[in-house]
Amino acid sequence: QKEVEQDPGPLSVPEGAIVSLNCTYSNSAFQYFMWYRQYSRKGPELLMYTYSSGNKEDGRFTAQVDKSSKYISLFIRDSQPSDSATYLCAMNTGGFKTIFGAGTRLFVKA
Amino acid sequence: EADIYQTPRYLVIGTGKKITLECSQTMGHDKMYWYQQDPGMELHLIHYSYGVNSTEKGDLSSESTVSRIRTEHFPLTLESARPSHTSQYLCASSAGTGSIGETQYFGPGTRLLVL
Repeated sequence: QKEVEQDPGPLSVPEGAIVSLNCTYSNSAFQYFMWYRQYSRKGPELLMYTYSSGNKEDGRFTAQVDKSSKYISLFIRDSQPSDSATYLCAMNTGGFKTIFGAGTRLFVKA
Repeated sequence: EADIYQTPRYLVIGTGKKITLECSQTMGHDKMYWYQQDPGMELHLIHYSYGVNSTEKGDLSSESTVSRIRTEHFPLTLESARPSHTSQYLCASSAGTGSIGETQYFGPGTRLLVL
């Protein structure tokens, strides 16, 4: 069983929709939770960072961490075609090793 | 915006050639990483470094080697390229300290094709 599970999609939504992206994990020692966005033929770029449980909001993006359920989410409000990318969740216990999900491909149709 | 650079961006090379993928960062980060990424798959850690003169192999068995002589530079070398090495190689760095210490910043990647 993988430490981090992420639905690969693809997820296709119309412009303006609310998008929900999710990951589940098995290691209760994870404390740092990240979301990265990766455009085609580019490296991942950090989108959101959360420590421990709770919500964090940045513009149209909201990250949620539920450690009791071992479940994290990224919400995108008012989605735009420019949001079309692959979204990777990532987690870390505080050590050197970060575990990445396989990524969810998102398409936002104009 | 993260200041981490990789060259070349694309490389097509024949089997048996020696290649070096370059990675440099200007953020003064101590930790640096090399990942291999295939389409639709997770990032696999192949090498990492805690700092100068510190290198370790990651989870994914790799025939590559790395060196860390300077903080800002972390090159990856393949002594004899094979078609199985065809992949995208991503370099990353992190501060390793502070409230966002484990957040990694990625370079644009090198897409390698071995014929």
